Amino acid sequence: DVKVTQSSRYLVKRTGEKVFLECVQDMDHENMFWYRQDPGLGLRLIYFSYDVKMKEKGDIPEGYSVSREKKERFSLILESASTNQTSMYLCASSLLRVISYEQYFGPGTRLTVT
Amino acid sequence: ELKVEQNPLFLSMQEGKNYTIYCNYSTTSDRLYWYRQDPGKSLESLFVLLSNGAVKQEGRLMASLDTKARLSTLHITAAVHDLSATYFCAVDGVETSGSRLTFGEGTQLTVNP
Repeated sequence: DVKVTQSSRYLVKRTGEKVFLECVQDMDHENMFWYRQDPGLGLRLIYFSYDVKMKEKGDIPEGYSVSREKKERFSLILESASTNQTSMYLCASSLLRVISYEQYFGPGTRLTVT
Repeated sequence: ELKVEQNPLFLSMQEGKNYTIYCNYSTTSDRLYWYRQDPGKSLESLFVLLSNGAVKQEGRLMASLDTKARLSTLHITAAVHDLSATYFCAVDGVETSGSRLTFGEGTQLTVNP
């Protein structure tokens, strides 16, 4: 079974703090993704990565950065947290293959910025 | 820009009834994915449809794909309370980077006793 884990289920941070969200997958997947999910807005892609040290912007990258130093680990960084970044953050991974791009999701991190 | 639209967005139904959720998408694709999300939880993969005419069934749920119509359906048969959740469809299109999925808005299903 594919397992995607996220470092925290719940996190509370103050405005202006630097926040690290970490995601680890154990199935040797090439692709990793960070989404945020807000009521009424669905899933929005923040960043994704095809390979170690590779990253591409998604639909809403502003205020975020990412790091992928190892294949199994993909970190999302909020450089200076703001209240509008309060959200549920979901990490996902998938294989880089042409047959199926099914994504496997982690449990999510509910981040509150006060 | 690839668009994925689900209909309806909210569905309240009684136990024992049948209903269908629709997923329309705007680009050429022969791969479509259905996910389920329980309140406060993450997304769980339900079905992967990889070709025109593909049909998959699991319990009371059946998903199908018509790539010519750019339409997928998720049919619920004799609904039970345990099916209450939000259901998402997702598509990977030829105009998006290889493995990136575009998700629909989600259909929030409530099954009442």
